[in-house]
Amino acid sequence: SAVISQKPSRDICQRGTSLTIQCQVDSQVTMMFWYRQQPGQSLTLIATANQGSEATYESGFVIDKFPISRPNLTFSTLTVSNMSPEDSSIYLCSVESALADTQYFGPGTRLTVL
Amino acid sequence: QKEVEQNSGPLSVPEGAIASLNCTYSDRGSQSFFWYRQYSGKSPELIMSIYSNGDKEDGRFTAQLNKASQYVSLLIRDSQPSDSATYLCAVNLSRGSTLGRLYFGRGTQLTVWP
Repeated sequence: SAVISQKPSRDICQRGTSLTIQCQVDSQVTMMFWYRQQPGQSLTLIATANQGSEATYESGFVIDKFPISRPNLTFSTLTVSNMSPEDSSIYLCSVESALADTQYFGPGTRLTVL
Repeated sequence: QKEVEQNSGPLSVPEGAIASLNCTYSDRGSQSFFWYRQYSGKSPELIMSIYSNGDKEDGRFTAQLNKASQYVSLLIRDSQPSDSATYLCAVNLSRGSTLGRLYFGRGTQLTVWP
C-alpha cells in the first residue's frame, strides 16, 4: 500500500483565517481524494483531485471555500478558507491503489477553529 | 442518491465471541465493497475488500456479499479487545481502470470486553 503523510497533523486556528493542508504520497497516483470527518460522523467526500485538471467538488462544497491544488502525481493541498467553528473537523486525504482496487487514507489533520 | 446504511451500534461482544457487522446499500450497480476499521483518533484502515457474491476469508475476518439482497457483512471470529473500533462499510460503482469515489456508511462502533 502507498505511504501517505499529511501536514499539519493538527492545528488550532482563529475564525476568519485559512489553513492549507498538505498530502504527500510515496508513489505516483492518479486520483487523490479529500474527505472531512466531523466528530462522531462518517466520512464526507469534499472533492476528487486529478493531476493536471480542476478538482471535482461534491454537492455542498465549493472551490472558493476549499481550493485544491494538485501540481504533480505525488502531492496535493487542500485549503480551508475563511474558517468558522463549523469547519472544525478531521480532514483526510486518500489515494487510489496502483491496481485501482481500493483506497488508502492518510493519517488526517485535526482542525479546531475557535 | 447512493446510500450505505449500517447499524450505528454500539455493538458489544465478549472476548472470543463472533462479532457480526452488517451493511446495506441502495445502488444495485455497486461493484466493489470494502470494510475499514477506524480506531478512535486514527484514520480508516482497510481490512477487507470483496467484489463477488459469497464469502471471503482473511484470518479472523470474513466478508460476505449478497448482491441480490444488496447487503454486505463482516464477521469477526474470536473477537479480541484490540478489535474494539468503529467499522466503516464503503461501496463503489466501478471496478476497473479507475475506482473513483467511495460511498461510506456511518460506521458501527464495536466494543469487545474481556
